[in-house]
Amino acid sequence: EVQLVESGGGLVQPGRSLRLSCVASRFTFDDYAMHWVRQAPGKGLEWVAGISWNSGSIGYADSVKGRFTISRDNAKNSLYLQMNSLTAEDTALYYCAKSSGTYYYHNYYIDVWGKGTTVSVSS
Amino acid sequence: EVVLTQSPGTLSLSPGERATLSCRASQRVSNGFLAWHQQRPGQPPRLLIYGASNRATGIPDRFSGSGSGTDFTLTISRLEPEDFAVYYCQQYGYSPLTFGGGTKVEI
Repeated sequence: EVQLVESGGGLVQPGRSLRLSCVASRFTFDDYAMHWVRQAPGKGLEWVAGISWNSGSIGYADSVKGRFTISRDNAKNSLYLQMNSLTAEDTALYYCAKSSGTYYYHNYYIDVWGKGTTVSVSS
Repeated sequence: EVVLTQSPGTLSLSPGERATLSCRASQRVSNGFLAWHQQRPGQPPRLLIYGASNRATGIPDRFSGSGSGTDFTLTISRLEPEDFAVYYCQQYGYSPLTFGGGTKVEI
């Protein structure tokens, strides 16, 4: 069974940075695009960023553009999210999610979700 | 950005009843690139339907999706106790990918 395990969440002060990681297993990681999706406490799902298999196609939600950077290391079966200039509005459970496709982060559906890692931004 | 509006916000039903959930897009969804995800309390989402009407692997046939253009529907033919959850539609044809606000199906 495909597995996605997120880590790196925690409590951070406003304006600081945090880096999330997601380790993938039981599938060929570099065959698929990947995503980060977040869910604020008691709220719905919000797509954050997506990346194609070779990092050639990358996209961000407007709410994080210029502050967050998605990246991947196919040799390590790992996906990352570098989050800078954090605000209270970034407080959420962050899910790593696998795409069904390869070449673009859009035009393919999300087919597997990790369990998430919690980010809390507060002074 | 494609805005997805789900209705109703909450659906109160009993086991064995039929549930009909709606998702309306602010513009035509490219190639029917619409998915439905289920989220049970305390759990991550799970893919139910992709391409508007295709069931994901392992999803029971009581779940069905339909629609095209801007109007989509998820139907649960006979509710089982484990189906009481929140359901999200999501479009993946345009960037940014977007989700609807969710429909909670409660007892």
